[in-house]
Amino acid sequence: EIVLTQSPATLSLSPGERATLSCRASQSVGTYLAWYQHKPGQAPSLLIYDASKRATGIPARFSGSGSGTDFSLTISSLEPEDFAVYYCQQRGNWLTFGGGTKVESK
Amino acid sequence: EVQLLESGGDLVQPGGSLRLSCAASGFTFIYYAISWVRQAPGKGLEWVSTISGSGGDTYYADSVKGRFTISRDNSKNTLYLQINSLRAEDTAVYYCVTPRNNVFPHYMGVWGKGTSVTVSS
Repeated sequence: EIVLTQSPATLSLSPGERATLSCRASQSVGTYLAWYQHKPGQAPSLLIYDASKRATGIPARFSGSGSGTDFSLTISSLEPEDFAVYYCQQRGNWLTFGGGTKVESK
Repeated sequence: EVQLLESGGDLVQPGGSLRLSCAASGFTFIYYAISWVRQAPGKGLEWVSTISGSGGDTYYADSVKGRFTISRDNSKNTLYLQINSLRAEDTAVYYCVTPRNNVFPHYMGVWGKGTSVTVSS
């Protein structure tokens, strides 16, 4: 099983700041990696797939990069609605999710 | 608009059984694989199981293999998850999810709102 390790566990930032989230895979997944946003009481939603492709309707402030085992999600300038938990997920070898990074307001 | 409505979650004793359902609408159900993903309290997301559009192929996470059975009734546009020998660690919100790309393994597309399963004596 491929293990995805997300860091940091919590990111405390202010609106307007840049957020950089990391996801590291225990073995290569190529570019078969996605990012999801999950807000309390809501269903998760897909932000990025294939490491760097934005899903339909996702603002340009969200970007993904990486390949192989190291990936990142960047939010260029945090909006109030961006404070949430973010998960990465790989489909390079079965299906696994990372443990999540909580982006909280400082 | 794709809609997924889960039901069947309940408080169950350890060792008990439960059947979850997911009623789907807004898309041609038989054309798509569909999955269950769960989230335990205070924990992250965990993929549980996927079934192909025809129902002929099923996939399970190691943590549930042998206890969970995924199935679908394409005449009713409904997905099921039969859960047997329930354990405390099965306590979670269970989401029904369509695929972003219709090839297993896949990314997750549209999610339902989830149904809550609590295993406790």
